[in-house]
Amino acid sequence: GAVVSQHPSWVICKSGTSVKIECRSLDFQATTMFWYRQFPKQSLMLMATSNEGSKATYEQGVEKDKFLINHASLTLSTLTVTSAHPEDSSFYICSAIDTGEGTYEQYFGPGTRLTVT
Amino acid sequence: GQNIDQPTEMTATEGAIVQINCTYQTSGFNGLFWYQQHAGEAPTFLSYNVLDGLEEKGRFSSFLSRSKGYSYLLLKELQMKDSASYLCAVSSGGSYIPTFGRGTSLIVHP
Repeated sequence: GAVVSQHPSWVICKSGTSVKIECRSLDFQATTMFWYRQFPKQSLMLMATSNEGSKATYEQGVEKDKFLINHASLTLSTLTVTSAHPEDSSFYICSAIDTGEGTYEQYFGPGTRLTVT
Repeated sequence: GQNIDQPTEMTATEGAIVQINCTYQTSGFNGLFWYQQHAGEAPTFLSYNVLDGLEEKGRFSSFLSRSKGYSYLLLKELQMKDSASYLCAVSSGGSYIPTFGRGTSLIVHP
């Protein structure tokens, strides 16, 4: 199956700083990637849809100026959490769909644990 | 919008069978996914149901009734490693992006 990687797997940062998370599709091209956030014992909440070569589509309630998404190539999307605060501490997961398979199965990255102190 | 409901937590014994239910309310239903998620890890795909009926894949089976807005995931011959959260997700309205339920935490004990 398709493989999606994320980097870093975990990060600790100080309040007010910015953190960049990378999401890569390793063996397929992904014109669309998705960014999710998951708080402990909660469901995956879609934050935004990342489109290669165009602006991301954000879900209602997600601040686009705080969560900057860049999808510069068919295999890489980045999420930058700007001016991070402790309430941004969460598990961030990206995913991509290999539309070439026609199943619309989402392949998830291993996730990034962000802790803001 | 979508409303997806599944039990918060279930426990079962190793070697037994467990059924995890999921009910949903949505318009323009496309399909229903089941994912397994171990603590601190990303979800992994288990099944995708579009039509009514039961689909079996090894020890795991998934059932869908579109008219009832109901699905279940059936796990047979439970193993300790099956202890995880099981997420029900529904795609609808022409979008292939699913909305996830809160997940059911399954605890398998000896």
